[in-house]
Amino acid sequence: DADVTQTPRNRITKTGKRIMLECSQTKGHDRMYWYRQDPGLGLQLIYYSFDVKDINKGEISDGYSVSRQAQAKFSLSLESAIPNQTALYFCATSDSGGGGSETQYFGPGTRLLVL
Amino acid sequence: GQNIDQPTEMTATEGAIVQINCTYQTSGFNGLFWYQQHAGEAPTFLSYNVLDGLEEKGRFSSFLSRSKGYSYLLLKELQMKDSASYLCAVSGFSSGSARQLTFGSGTQLTVLP
Repeated sequence: DADVTQTPRNRITKTGKRIMLECSQTKGHDRMYWYRQDPGLGLQLIYYSFDVKDINKGEISDGYSVSRQAQAKFSLSLESAIPNQTALYFCATSDSGGGGSETQYFGPGTRLLVL
Repeated sequence: GQNIDQPTEMTATEGAIVQINCTYQTSGFNGLFWYQQHAGEAPTFLSYNVLDGLEEKGRFSSFLSRSKGYSYLLLKELQMKDSASYLCAVSGFSSGSARQLTFGSGTQLTVLP
């Protein structure tokens, strides 16, 4: 079984709809992240959480919200989807130690199309 | 903030050696990562450097010079399956008080037969 899973894997929605992307992990990591990736661009950080009670905005958080329901679960919501949120979304996890243990491990991604 | 530069595209021949460069500017540097990403798939971890020097792992090696803000990923004995995007990512202070990973835009490597 995959260590980091994302649901759904593909989603088509319409402008103005609210949608939620979910991420679960079995790696036992404290830290979880949401990124988006647009064609030809690098990964951009949307939100991150270092533990259940800790939520932080990344560089492109506008239009998004998150919820850390448990250590293993971190969901991303688009309250009112717009076409420029069409992208590939990745969830990632990492440990909280130093010396490279903060290496991030990625889920398979959710391809979102907003019409 | 953080700034990362890497070439957009590179082409090499099967069996050859290729070097992908990455330059960066950051505050609170805490390591540099290389990831491989095949089209439409998740990035997968290749290497981590925090001290100056070369880290070798099979056909892949990664080098870091902290004083120059420079790293490279060296791929030897190229195989067709190495065709992918290679992402350079730097751990440092981007916004707020916590270190974050900032990713470069990736270098798309095409391996030709």
